Amino acid sequence: DSGVTQTPKHLITATGQRVTLRCSPRSGDLSVYWYQQSLDQGLQFLIQYYNGEERAKGNILERFSAQQFPDLHSELNLSSLELGDSALYFCASSPSLAGARSGANVLTFGAGSRLTVL
Amino acid sequence: EDQVTQSPEALRLQEGESSSLNCSYTVSGLRGLFWYRQDPGKGPEFLFTLYSAGEEKEKERLKATLTKKESFLHITAPKPEDSATYLCAVQGRSNSNSGYALNFGKGTSLLVTP
Repeated sequence: DSGVTQTPKHLITATGQRVTLRCSPRSGDLSVYWYQQSLDQGLQFLIQYYNGEERAKGNILERFSAQQFPDLHSELNLSSLELGDSALYFCASSPSLAGARSGANVLTFGAGSRLTVL
Repeated sequence: EDQVTQSPEALRLQEGESSSLNCSYTVSGLRGLFWYRQDPGKGPEFLFTLYSAGEEKEKERLKATLTKKESFLHITAPKPEDSATYLCAVQGRSNSNSGYALNFGKGTSLLVTP
């Protein structure tokens, strides 16, 4: 157990629907990252939050959004789902903004949420 | 833009047959190069961080090395339990878009047979 908790583990839904994925970071970690993993693209960075504020954006679609709450858990909202959104979605956390040359820049990953869009 | 290329895509080894995995990278201002292990259906598990050329780190049968252009993950006398996908990632100088997010390669899928 990495200490990063993601729910649900599996989710099957239809095109056009909206889903919410939830992540609780490791105790003491302030930074949360969301990644998407598909077979052909590998792990792609979506978005990062630090202590409730958005800090960085990667290849996140406009149909996707996220937020980090005061208790530091984070949610990734995926709307108007398409078949191509089927993937594993991972949350990772780190102690800080992860720019330091120390263990603070190591990302700890959760077990992922597998989304299947039919 | 940061780029990470891993080779080979897949590798099959006999138990005890040593080999190396390659990670070539281009990054603006390397802050760290990371190796992760990922088992099927699970999240990546941290193995090593390397910060500068010439640095080496070891853990059991694994040894990671770093040059200015690439990193190698050496696997000595592997066992079947070493079978997994090994991911390489770089963290570069922060930019306005991706901050300090890790940029991952597509991984090397390693299978060690008895």
